[in-house]
Amino acid sequence: DTGVSQDPRHKITKRGQNVTFRCDPISEHNRLYWYRQTLGQGPEFLTYFQNEAQLEKSRLLSDRFSAERPKGSFSTLEIQRTEQGDSAMYLCASSSRTGVAETQYFGPGTRLLVL
Amino acid sequence: ELKVEQNPLFLSMQEGKNYTIYCNYSTTSDRLYWYRQDPGKSLESLFVLLSNGAVKQEGRLMASLDTKARLSTLHITAAVHDLSATYFCAVDRSSGDKLTFGTGTRLAVRP
Repeated sequence: DTGVSQDPRHKITKRGQNVTFRCDPISEHNRLYWYRQTLGQGPEFLTYFQNEAQLEKSRLLSDRFSAERPKGSFSTLEIQRTEQGDSAMYLCASSSRTGVAETQYFGPGTRLLVL
Repeated sequence: ELKVEQNPLFLSMQEGKNYTIYCNYSTTSDRLYWYRQDPGKSLESLFVLLSNGAVKQEGRLMASLDTKARLSTLHITAAVHDLSATYFCAVDRSSGDKLTFGTGTRLAVRP
């Protein structure tokens, strides 16, 4: 399967702990995006990369959140000192520029529950 | 700030009936995306609409785009239970940019 993959699929943690999620994009895609989705809402943008460069970060992304894409391939999203409000589905997507539009292909998501 | 609104938020349809989901957005854009999400699952790309007047069809779903009205529609023809899901529209400011999603329309098709 050459789709976007995410690991882990589920994570339960206690408030105050740090968590890290990994995303492996489709291999030839140079753009990688992170979104967060809470129950009953549409995904909200967090940050995105073109190759290894982080191009934009949402105001939603507090200082406790950090994302990296060190070699322009996989990406990690770390949340430090988790809070109950961080409980959500974290979605990763990748795309490649071919023409006037890019379709973002989403991974299965990491569902985070902070107790 | 780019805003995307969908209506209705929830739609209960009888099998075999037709209905339309509407997506309005607040900024000029020539690109609009439709995604489907099944409960507990990720998003599946349905349509990419790239210009004013664009129309795309796949099975019982047809999507159209009117960039002047900043409106896209997703029309469902002769609904079947397998179409039950949440449908999202999304817009970007430029190609490759982040997507701004609507609130979603939860579709339930009943016998």
